[in-house]
Amino acid sequence: QKEVEQNSGPLSVPEGAIASLNCTYSDRGSQSFFWYRQYSGKSPELIMFIYSNGDKEDGRFTAQLNKASQYVSLLIRDSQPSDSATYLCASRRYIFGTGTRLKVLA
Amino acid sequence: KAGVTQTPRYLIKTRGQQVTLSCSPISGHRSVSWYQQTPGQGLQFLFEYFSETQRNKGNFPGRFSGRQFSNSRSEMNVSTLELGDSALYLCASSSTPGAQETQYFGPGTRLLVL
Repeated sequence: QKEVEQNSGPLSVPEGAIASLNCTYSDRGSQSFFWYRQYSGKSPELIMFIYSNGDKEDGRFTAQLNKASQYVSLLIRDSQPSDSATYLCASRRYIFGTGTRLKVLA
Repeated sequence: KAGVTQTPRYLIKTRGQQVTLSCSPISGHRSVSWYQQTPGQGLQFLFEYFSETQRNKGNFPGRFSGRQFSNSRSEMNVSTLELGDSALYLCASSSTPGAQETQYFGPGTRLLVL
């Protein structure tokens, strides 16, 4: 079992909808979690980080952390075609999931 | 402020050869991490250097090694290349190696082993 698990997708959502990306982790000791976006052929760029249980909002993005369920999610509101990319979840900075490919349909 | 730079951007090698990749972090950043990215395995941590010392190491064979210089620039070396080493090698820099420090990735070096 990988330490950070993500559904590879693709997750297809229509433009303007909410995209929900999920990630589970196995190490209960993990305290910090990061979401990166990676466009095809490019390097990952940080979208958000979250350390505390609950929600953290930044513009159209909301990260949610539930330590009891070992679950992290990223919500993208008002999805745009430019959001189409692979989203990587990371635990403790170093441990990455394989990513979920998001396709926003115009 | 200039971002993380990596050289070379593309590299073709043959099995058995060795390769050295270079990474220059963002000015002022003293922590450099290296990752291997492949379609099957995703992004996998190789090692992290801070103040010229290796602080953490991933689960890779000893053929993969690295070092960091006093100006924080880092190199990684892969000896006796195998076909499976074909990948995108990314380095990331941060101010310190703290667990909550944001990492900034470079554009990567794409290595093809024939």
